[in-house]
Amino acid sequence: EAQVTQNPRYLITVTGKKLTVTCSQNMNHEYMSWYRQDPGLGLRQIYYSMNVEVTDKGDVPEGYKVSRKEKRNFPLILESPSPNQTSLYFCASSLAQSGLAGALNTGELFFGEGSRLTVL
Amino acid sequence: QKEVEQNSGPLSVPEGAIASLNCTYSDRGSQSFFWYRQYSGKSPELIMSIYSNGDKEDGRFTAQLNKASQYVSLLIRDSQPSDSATYLCAVNRGTGGSYIPTFGRGTSLIVHP
Repeated sequence: EAQVTQNPRYLITVTGKKLTVTCSQNMNHEYMSWYRQDPGLGLRQIYYSMNVEVTDKGDVPEGYKVSRKEKRNFPLILESPSPNQTSLYFCASSLAQSGLAGALNTGELFFGEGSRLTVL
Repeated sequence: QKEVEQNSGPLSVPEGAIASLNCTYSDRGSQSFFWYRQYSGKSPELIMSIYSNGDKEDGRFTAQLNKASQYVSLLIRDSQPSDSATYLCAVNRGTGGSYIPTFGRGTSLIVHP
């Protein structure tokens, strides 16, 4: 079954305790991305990766790190979590397909089930 | 300036009616447009994609795109209570040659029996 798997699904932690949220996809997708979703603010992109060893900042990267050492995995790392990082996190992946003028279309996203993180 | 705008709602329609959801975007270079459905507490799910002006139909769903006016809409015919969800509009903007989607904040739809 094609899927994006995130772990953990739920986590309560304390300020400053490093944590990693894993994301794995089995669809051989080039593009992977992390979003956070907060009430009234919608989905905001944290980091994205167009392929292995290629990562870029999204709209809200502060306080987060990512790595893309393998095509299927894209972990999100919170080195020193703070209460303002309490949120619902989604990992997503997509094929990077050639579109108009040779650009890559990455809009048809498959999302993981989400990870609800609480930082006390 | 917010790049993708949606009315947050809630939009309330009776069962069997047509629900009309709208989205406007600011980047004239946008090439691809998507509608995602998100049930409460669940992840977004792609329901429609549209790439050229006009209408695209899939079952009870019709996506409409007007690039000149910079809006995209989603029509849901014969609305069912199971259609009650938040609908997210996503638009691909150009970033260094690749197209990364930007999401609106979503419109909450309530279909009442």
